[in-house]
Amino acid sequence: DIQMTQSPSSVSASVGDRVTITCRASQSISSWLGWYQQKPGRAPKLLIYAASSRLSGVPSRFSGGGSGTDFTLTITNLQPEDFATYYCQQAGSSPFTFGGGTKVEI
Amino acid sequence: QVHLVQSASEVKKPGASVRVSCKASGYTFTNYAINWVRQAPGQGLEWLGWIRPDTGNTNYAQTFQGRLTMTTDTSTETAYMELGSLRSGDTAVYFCARDWGYCTTGSCLFDHWGEGTLVTVSS
Repeated sequence: DIQMTQSPSSVSASVGDRVTITCRASQSISSWLGWYQQKPGRAPKLLIYAASSRLSGVPSRFSGGGSGTDFTLTITNLQPEDFATYYCQQAGSSPFTFGGGTKVEI
Repeated sequence: QVHLVQSASEVKKPGASVRVSCKASGYTFTNYAINWVRQAPGQGLEWLGWIRPDTGNTNYAQTFQGRLTMTTDTSTETAYMELGSLRSGDTAVYFCARDWGYCTTGSCLFDHWGEGTLVTVSS
């Protein structure tokens, strides 16, 4: 199975800040990576697919990058509604595995 | 508008089985696989497998082989996930999630999710 390692596990930030989350795969997954946002008590929401493509309706302050084994999710100009937990997920090989999550908190 | 509506919370004893349902609407049910993902309390996300409604083809994570069964009823556009031989470690919120369109060809992301069903395993 492909292991996905996210860092940091949590980050404290303020409105207007820039936050970068990293995700590393235990083997190359090309660009088969997605990023999800999850708020407490809610289902995850897909933000980014194919490592860097935003889903329709996702604000442009969310951007993804990377390929192979190393990926990033960057949130610029952090907004109050962005405080949540973010997960990466490799989409290239079954079983489809998730990172451990990064909590973005105030 | 895509909607996935799941069944209510369940409490089960160790060794029992649980079946969770997921009713789909707002899209052509047979065109997309339904996945199941779970989340233990305070923990991360774990993929269980997918089922393609039109063919009944499934892909289960090896971890759950032998005690996991996914089915669909195309007449009611409902997917079901049954997990047997329950143990305390199976306590989690179980989500159904629609395939983004490529799960059955090897690349799997989840673009619409149900609200989740809490399954508690306790004696």
